[in-house]
Amino acid sequence: EVQLVESGGGLLQPGGSLRLSCAASGFTFNTYVMTWVRQAPGKGLEWVSSIRGSGDITYYADSVKGRFTISRDNSKNTLYLQMNSLRAEDTAIYYCGKDRRSRAVTTVDSWGQGTLVTVSS
Amino acid sequence: DIQMTQSPSSLSASVGDRVTITCQASQDITNYLNWYQQKPGKAPKLLIYDASDLETGVPSRFSGSGSGTDFTFTISSLQPEDIATYYCQQYDNLPLTFGGGTKVEIK
Repeated sequence: EVQLVESGGGLLQPGGSLRLSCAASGFTFNTYVMTWVRQAPGKGLEWVSSIRGSGDITYYADSVKGRFTISRDNSKNTLYLQMNSLRAEDTAIYYCGKDRRSRAVTTVDSWGQGTLVTVSS
Repeated sequence: DIQMTQSPSSLSASVGDRVTITCQASQDITNYLNWYQQKPGKAPKLLIYDASDLETGVPSRFSGSGSGTDFTFTISSLQPEDIATYYCQQYDNLPLTFGGGTKVEIK
């Protein structure tokens, strides 16, 4: 059974930094694209970033490009999202997800429970 | 970016009713469309991928159809446990984009 467990969320001030982690189990981690999707309070879903199985290629939404960095440690079956220069509009629940595919960013077929990031002064 | 327009934004129906949600893409996305269900306080769950393929373990009362720019999601017989918000999502091009969601309630 696929399991994804996010951690690292919290409350911080604008301009701050935070690193989210997502521990994966139940599948061959290094085979699949992994993705972060966020959801602002009471709002819809927004794709944030994805990374290929080998970690060689990454993709970002324009809203986070240059501020967020996605990475993975395939030896630890863990996905990361380093978030810098945080803004109030980054406040959201951040979900990590496993894609159905290994190279293309398409379909999150398994989701973590999410971790809440609140950016407020 | 490809815009996904979902309608209605909310609906109320009775148990056993047929429920239909539509999703329109701003450009041709072939069949590169997914449907997700999100129950309150929970993570989304994949129901339909490639516009019409049912994810393993998902009840057969859920179905999807369409291609190009116009897509439909149907619950053939609404059950109490189907109370949720449903989202369409395209993957023809990055960024992945989602529809605004349809909140389904029981009348």
